[in-house]
Amino acid sequence: KAGVTQTPRYLIKTRGQQVTLSCSPISGHRSVSWYQQTPGQGLQFLFEYFSETQRNKGNFPGRFSGRQFSNSRSEMNVSTLELGDSALYLCASSLDAQGYGYTFGSGTRLTVV
Amino acid sequence: EDQVTQSPEALRLQEGESSSLNCSYTVSGLRGLFWYRQDPGKGPEFLFTLYSAGEEKEKERLKATLTKKESFLHITAPKPEDSATYLCAVRWDYKLSFGAGTTVTVRA
Repeated sequence: KAGVTQTPRYLIKTRGQQVTLSCSPISGHRSVSWYQQTPGQGLQFLFEYFSETQRNKGNFPGRFSGRQFSNSRSEMNVSTLELGDSALYLCASSLDAQGYGYTFGSGTRLTVV
Repeated sequence: EDQVTQSPEALRLQEGESSSLNCSYTVSGLRGLFWYRQDPGKGPEFLFTLYSAGEEKEKERLKATLTKKESFLHITAPKPEDSATYLCAVRWDYKLSFGAGTTVTVRA
């Protein structure tokens, strides 16, 4: 079956711009979460959605936002980009049930110049 | 605060030389401890989920164990293709908290 699909794979943006990243979860998975990975901070939790409701949010500024649609697809948006936002953004989907893990996508590599 | 700590940061092994990676955690109300493998430029690949102390799971040359405060990932007779960063994460409050990872390099 198809895995978690993230688009685009690579993105170069200029400081001050905004960006939207997309994630299509595995079919049947209703939980989608987002993580930021950088060499210095490792994997940091951004937010998690289940059935279009945000259940948790990490310690990131309000410039980072997300949403989930009725088909479980999710988007995250970063406004007013800063150089420090350069990172690998990873999406993970889950059945949100005991015994099931989180499946990650390949990520979107965002470079802010 | 640090909730998940992995050691060592890096591990260089000769092919066939078995070793163990450690993951200690301080989260209460644990709802699962996860092990992932990550290759450069790719997303983490799920390996194991452990839920209760004493639980063990195996997959090929990898074996994961769990106690009340830590987990171990044992690599038996590793091959060069086992070279990767191994990440440990604990699940709580609808999120995963990750350790910094252990980068394993296996030389032929």
